[in-house]
Amino acid sequence: EPEVTQTPSHQVTQMGQEVILRCVPISNHLYFYWYRQILGQKVEFLVSFYNNEISEKSEIFDDQFSVERPDGSNFTLKIRSTKLEDSAMYFCASYTDNTGELFFGEGSRLTVL
Amino acid sequence: AQSVTQLGSHVSVSEGALVLLRCNYSSSVPPYLFWYVQYPNQGLQLLLKYTTGATLVKGINGFEAEFKKSETSFHLTKPSAHMSDAAEYFCAVSVSGGGGNKLTFGTGTQLKVEL
Repeated sequence: EPEVTQTPSHQVTQMGQEVILRCVPISNHLYFYWYRQILGQKVEFLVSFYNNEISEKSEIFDDQFSVERPDGSNFTLKIRSTKLEDSAMYFCASYTDNTGELFFGEGSRLTVL
Repeated sequence: AQSVTQLGSHVSVSEGALVLLRCNYSSSVPPYLFWYVQYPNQGLQLLLKYTTGATLVKGINGFEAEFKKSETSFHLTKPSAHMSDAAEYFCAVSVSGGGGNKLTFGTGTQLKVEL
């Protein structure tokens, strides 16, 4: 069964460092998303991406964040200068049809020290 | 804008008892509704979804949910809880169809199953 894959599964970084989280969406999907979940809190929408551009972003997704689809398969989330409060689980998701069903990856846990 | 309210951040049931997890939504347009389950240290797995048609939807692991427009609810039920059902459950809403949709999640309900 096709699945969304994310790497790394866990990353520890120092405050102020740049981090790139990678996702390989399901191959025929056209819409891509990043969500995050701070420990013990709800899953929050960060950004959606379609046709090589951001289609919607939340207020969380400030100038420190960027997304890119550098090739035909990867979808990346970059945090330019990490802060302690960026520590969270980051989920990538994708879908292609109009059912609104998102397929989620297993998540990348980011710990900022 | 849509929103989801999950009543009860923690629910505890005995093994074999009925599971009822509550979800109410707010949406200005016909919603698509979802329940996701998250086991410890794992990702989000879709349990079931309502898009159109039959208002009682069945999902994996014996769970089902009923869309009640008049009550703006989409409660999740399972007739008989199993120890393996212990997890966090998230209700989510998205607007119907189209591209660029996003899910809005509730705050989650932690289900504990006791012997």
